[in-house]
Amino acid sequence: GQSLEQPSEVTAVEGAIVQINCTYQTSGFYGLSWYQQHDGGAPTFLSYNALDGLEETGRFSSFLSRSDSYGYLLLQELQMKDSASYFCAVRPRMDSSYKLIFGSGTRLLVRP
Amino acid sequence: EPEVTQTPSHQVTQMGQEVILRCVPISNHLYFYWYRQILGQKVEFLVSFYNNEISEKSEIFDDQFSVERPDGSNFTLKIRSTKLEDSAMYFCASRPGTGDTDTQYFGPGTRLTVL
Repeated sequence: GQSLEQPSEVTAVEGAIVQINCTYQTSGFYGLSWYQQHDGGAPTFLSYNALDGLEETGRFSSFLSRSDSYGYLLLQELQMKDSASYFCAVRPRMDSSYKLIFGSGTRLLVRP
Repeated sequence: EPEVTQTPSHQVTQMGQEVILRCVPISNHLYFYWYRQILGQKVEFLVSFYNNEISEKSEIFDDQFSVERPDGSNFTLKIRSTKLEDSAMYFCASRPGTGDTDTQYFGPGTRLTVL
């Protein structure tokens, strides 16, 4: 099975850097994705790591270490609009449906 | 930019009633999904649909649930006899063929309230 754990809540100041961790227990997956969800909104894709290492997309970066069963999302130059929930997600290996299994989610609150 | 659409945005129903949630996935996508999110919790997979049939369903997707793609554009989720615990946000999602990433495109969701 798949289990992805995230801190439930993180608070940071506008302009700062914040890291949201995702630790997982899984029998195998293709890659680690990150989705952002504002209150009442739909999850929207942010970043994807197929391989170990860092992927950078503007202010957002994501990291994966399969040997440590660990990944994180790094948000730089935080803005008030970054206040949202962030979910890590995996697509299980040996799965032809391409479904996503989501983590428990982290609610990020950005303060002025 | 193409997007997934869902109707209605909010559905209120009485326990035991049937509801149909509607979705129009992105037109050239091949894989379609329904996910559920109970308030304050994580997004949970319900069912995937490919090549006009269910490719996988979760334990949540019991006999009360069914999906259809009746006309090549709409994708519906039917709950035959709703229960209080079916109250949740229901998201439709779609993805292209076998791309390099696992990106799925989510609709805005339907909030289902069962009274």
